[in-house]
Amino acid sequence: DARVTQTPRHKVTEMGQEVTMRCQPILGHNTVFWYRQTMMQGLELLAYFRNRAPLDDSGMPKDRFSAEMPDATLATLKIQPSEPRDSAVYFCASGLVPTSGISSTDTQYFGPGTRLTVL
Amino acid sequence: EDQVTQSPEALRLQEGESSSLNCSYTVSGLRGLFWYRQDPGKGPEFLFTLYSAGEEKEKERLKATLTKKESFLHITAPKPEDSATYLCAVQAGTYKYIFGTGTRLKVLA
Repeated sequence: DARVTQTPRHKVTEMGQEVTMRCQPILGHNTVFWYRQTMMQGLELLAYFRNRAPLDDSGMPKDRFSAEMPDATLATLKIQPSEPRDSAVYFCASGLVPTSGISSTDTQYFGPGTRLTVL
Repeated sequence: EDQVTQSPEALRLQEGESSSLNCSYTVSGLRGLFWYRQDPGKGPEFLFTLYSAGEEKEKERLKATLTKKESFLHITAPKPEDSATYLCAVQAGTYKYIFGTGTRLKVLA
């Protein structure tokens, strides 16, 4: 049963510290998404990768957030420095779209999330 | 502005009491509409993708339909295990995904 995995599942840190969240997409998937979920805002798209290339990160605070895919099996989301307002659940999702022709819709398969608390 | 609105925010049903959840959207260039189920402490679980008005999809007690302005998730004879938050999302462009805030469904035995 193929699943997206995320580590850590929970993270408590102090304001100003660096936080790194990791995601392993489903093997063979070529798209990766990072989302943030809060009670007030719901799910917000932070970044989108296709074939490891960052295609859109307009939803991400540029000054403190960064997202990378060092290889096809690992995506990372980093916050430096972290702030209390960053407290949320961060989800990674992966999907598969054709690599040629007109792009189609992305059906996304979500991981279990990382619950981040910044004190 | 592209927008997705779900209603009601919360819904309590008796076991066996059928109902519908609504997802209305205003987007330019709908590429697809998605329904997800989310249980507490877990990530959203994919249910359906709908591409064009008139399309319908079914899975067990769930049936999703799509018009040009909204989508409905019909739940027939729900069971307590159907209790969850149901999320609707639209793909409004190659990289643009917008989620609604969800409907929290509680099915009472």
